[in-house]
Amino acid sequence: GDSVTQMEGPVTLSEEAFLTINCTYTATGYPSLFWYVQYPGEGLQLLLKATKADDKGSNKGFEATYRKETTSFHLEKGSVQVSDSAVYFCALSRGGSNYKLTFGKGTLLTVNP
Amino acid sequence: DAGVIQSPRHEVTEMGQEVTLRCKPISGHNSLFWYRQTMMRGLELLIYFNNNVPIDDSGMPEDRFSAKMPNASFSTLKIQPSEPRDSAVYFCASSLKGPDSPLHFGNGTRLTVT
Repeated sequence: GDSVTQMEGPVTLSEEAFLTINCTYTATGYPSLFWYVQYPGEGLQLLLKATKADDKGSNKGFEATYRKETTSFHLEKGSVQVSDSAVYFCALSRGGSNYKLTFGKGTLLTVNP
Repeated sequence: DAGVIQSPRHEVTEMGQEVTLRCKPISGHNSLFWYRQTMMRGLELLIYFNNNVPIDDSGMPEDRFSAKMPNASFSTLKIQPSEPRDSAVYFCASSLKGPDSPLHFGNGTRLTVT
């Protein structure tokens, strides 16, 4: 079945540091890939997405590139801020009549001033 | 757009009691999902509906759990009887149908069963 594997957290960085959160997936066909972010006490929000190989999703300074050859969708940001502290989830969705999102376990990011 | 609305935000109940969680999806969205989030198991899909019809309930843990969607603007998740191991945050999400459509989550219901 489909699965998403994220790097184990927690990740702790200083403000303005470079961020990478690794994500790899297993799925048949050509899934769409997503990053969601969850701030404390809230539900998940879509951060960015990519729907085909070599697509780059970007939003709020975050980027991720759909790499089919390595089945990866790593999240990056060049300079993190304290306000980026949250839990980040990688997810995939396949088409067809029974589509649904499969989430990774989430990675907690804490950014210190 | 008010977003996905869940109620209550917090629920504390005793073991054996019935619990009903409620969700109002975003107007016009035709897919609705119920998720459960715990520290140990992460985010688990319980059930999802397309056009008010349950499509996949394989994630529902056992017969104590049931979900309904009587119309396009309302869904419930019921646990009867509740047990301490049901304590978790329950999220409802909605989306337009399609693999590229993002999910819009509510703020969740934190359930504590004592």
